[in-house]
Amino acid sequence: NAGVMQNPRHLVRRRGQEARLRCSPMKGHSHVYWYRQLPEEGLKFMVYLQKENIIDESGMPKERFSAEFPKEGPSILRIQQVVRGDSAAYFCASSPPGVLTGSTEAFFGQGTRLTVV
Amino acid sequence: AQKVTQAQTEISVVEKEDVTLDCVYETRDTTYYLFWYKQPPSGELVFLIRRNSFDEQNEISGRYSWNFQKSTSSFNFTITASQVVDSAVYFCALSEARGNNRLAFGKGNQVVVIP
Repeated sequence: NAGVMQNPRHLVRRRGQEARLRCSPMKGHSHVYWYRQLPEEGLKFMVYLQKENIIDESGMPKERFSAEFPKEGPSILRIQQVVRGDSAAYFCASSPPGVLTGSTEAFFGQGTRLTVV
Repeated sequence: AQKVTQAQTEISVVEKEDVTLDCVYETRDTTYYLFWYKQPPSGELVFLIRRNSFDEQNEISGRYSWNFQKSTSSFNFTITASQVVDSAVYFCALSEARGNNRLAFGKGNQVVVIP
């Protein structure tokens, strides 16, 4: 039973390029969360998705960032026209459906470390 | 709004000493959940414990123990007889019942265990 899978583990992009981060939730999990960890900081919530729906994007920057979780395939966090300040570790977490909100631990992937040069 | 404060940034201990990590939280919800995660040097996040707001019982798991006190809004974590493998960053986090499972993390405690 594979855990949450994120790829790539490391991603280097030049300023202005696009970054695509992928997250495959645990089997049977239909809820996906993205978090960003800036250097020397804790994790900050970005977005919460269920299949084909964005439920809460209150933590997403207003521009250049988008997320999707299609019916088939992994969740994608897309960052357009990356800047140096986007360099961070991006973590994906998943949880199963039908649980009481807030009551379950989220299972985290190993993260994608994005470096913008 | 939910908020988690971990005041100590880096803590160094000699192997076999105990270390306690403080976590203070703020929330307006009466139902909420508290978590601790470990982030070793390899970078992944390892779940350690979840505690709901109605259960103030302290918990012990091996060398780890947690002290939850609603009166002071604290959820402290103690590692007894520390080992080098305990060297990691430890995050305290809070999730509100009305918060879509969204976790609010503290800034973390960097624990360095010196052999």
